[in-house]
Amino acid sequence: AQSVSQHNHHVILSEAASLELGCNYSYGGTVNLFWYVQYPGQHLQLLLKYFSGDPLVKGIKGFEAEFIKSKFSFNLRKPSVQWSDTAEYFCAVTPNQAGTALIFGKGTTLSVSS
Amino acid sequence: NAGVTQTPKFQVLKTGQSMTLQCAQDMNHNSMYWYRQDPGMGLRLIYYSASEGTTDKGEVPNGYNVSRLNKREFSLRLESAAPSQTSVYFCASSLGQGNTGELFFGEGSRLTVL
Repeated sequence: AQSVSQHNHHVILSEAASLELGCNYSYGGTVNLFWYVQYPGQHLQLLLKYFSGDPLVKGIKGFEAEFIKSKFSFNLRKPSVQWSDTAEYFCAVTPNQAGTALIFGKGTTLSVSS
Repeated sequence: NAGVTQTPKFQVLKTGQSMTLQCAQDMNHNSMYWYRQDPGMGLRLIYYSASEGTTDKGEVPNGYNVSRLNKREFSLRLESAAPSQTSVYFCASSLGQGNTGELFFGEGSRLTVL
């Protein structure tokens, strides 16, 4: 069965700092990859997704992620964080086959101080 | 446009009681899911329904049952609640069969089992 590992449990940054959140998955076949965000008191929303093609994908609010197949990684990045980016971030993966469902990592809490 | 609606939003049960969490989506999505969210554990898939008429176990199905009543509705039942089932439960739906795209989440149902 596939699994997802997020390396950082809690990240604390100052505004304007750069962000990189790690995500690794274990699955030998073709996968679809996602990053979701959960702002305080809200439900999860999609930040970005990767199915195929250019391994560098751009999402909403200036976020981007890079798929490195050889490393089974899909790290999330943002050049300059804002206080409003304070949230919990979840990496998710699913095999590229019908009838499957997303498996989420344990999440990374990002706290941005102004 | 309601999206994904879950009821109830809050519930307190005693050990051994039963209850059903209701979920409905109005986006004509094919797939529906139940996740639970616990601190430090991320989101874990309980059950999912890739299409009307089918249901499959996820990572943590023990103690739960589901019913895909029709294309719109997917309920989660706890037959005999246990304190370990204290959690926030999220229902989600997607247009494609799980792996193909964005999940839309409900607001969550906070369940406490005493």
